[in-house]
Amino acid sequence: QIQLQQSGPRLVKPSQTLSLTCVISGDSVSSDRAAWNWIRQSPSRGLEWLGRTYYRSKWYNDYELSVKSRITVNPDTSKNHVSLHLISVTPEDTAIYYCVREPVGAHFDHWGEGTLVTVSS
Amino acid sequence: QSVLTQPPSVSAAPGQKVTISCSGSDSYIGNKFVSWYQHLPGTAPKLLIYDNNKRPSGIPDRFSGSNSGTSATLGITGLQTGDEADYYCATWDRSLSAYVFGAGTKVTVV
Repeated sequence: QIQLQQSGPRLVKPSQTLSLTCVISGDSVSSDRAAWNWIRQSPSRGLEWLGRTYYRSKWYNDYELSVKSRITVNPDTSKNHVSLHLISVTPEDTAIYYCVREPVGAHFDHWGEGTLVTVSS
Repeated sequence: QSVLTQPPSVSAAPGQKVTISCSGSDSYIGNKFVSWYQHLPGTAPKLLIYDNNKRPSGIPDRFSGSNSGTSATLGITGLQTGDEADYYCATWDRSLSAYVFGAGTKVTVV
């Protein structure tokens, strides 16, 4: 059974870096049949895809254009987890952040429990 | 700004049917795979439909999907109070190399 366990600070100050980790069980971050995504949800913006990492003989990343200059999604094969780093945050980055598995095909089948991150001084 | 357009809300009585459209510009959706998600407050979104019309195991056949031309559609029959939620469509945009979501549709059982 695939499970995604998220962790990280719930409160981040403006201009600082938001960092979350997602530990994967029941699958491998290096799987050639999955990609590992971060998606956020806020009342004002609904669901917003942020980015992903995946392995197909080498590592690849894709990022949403509006956050591309601020985001990094990294795999850690030794710990079987994927991390999200979002720099220079503002209150507009306040949202519930989800770690999400994407199997082969354009959809998301397993979601982490979500982490509410508030950006406030 | 979302490139997929959904109605903000739909409603119907228990037992009735609702449909939610997801449209894009320039035949944006017609040749793409669309997925649909149900989002209940306080929980993670749940996959309802993928590849336009396929249901994951455990999703009842009251939920159905279709995709033709410039619009994809989610149908819910036999509406139940537990179906009250926000519903989102999504697809991969090859030109952006990014996923895009619709803005979501709130389903109310009246």
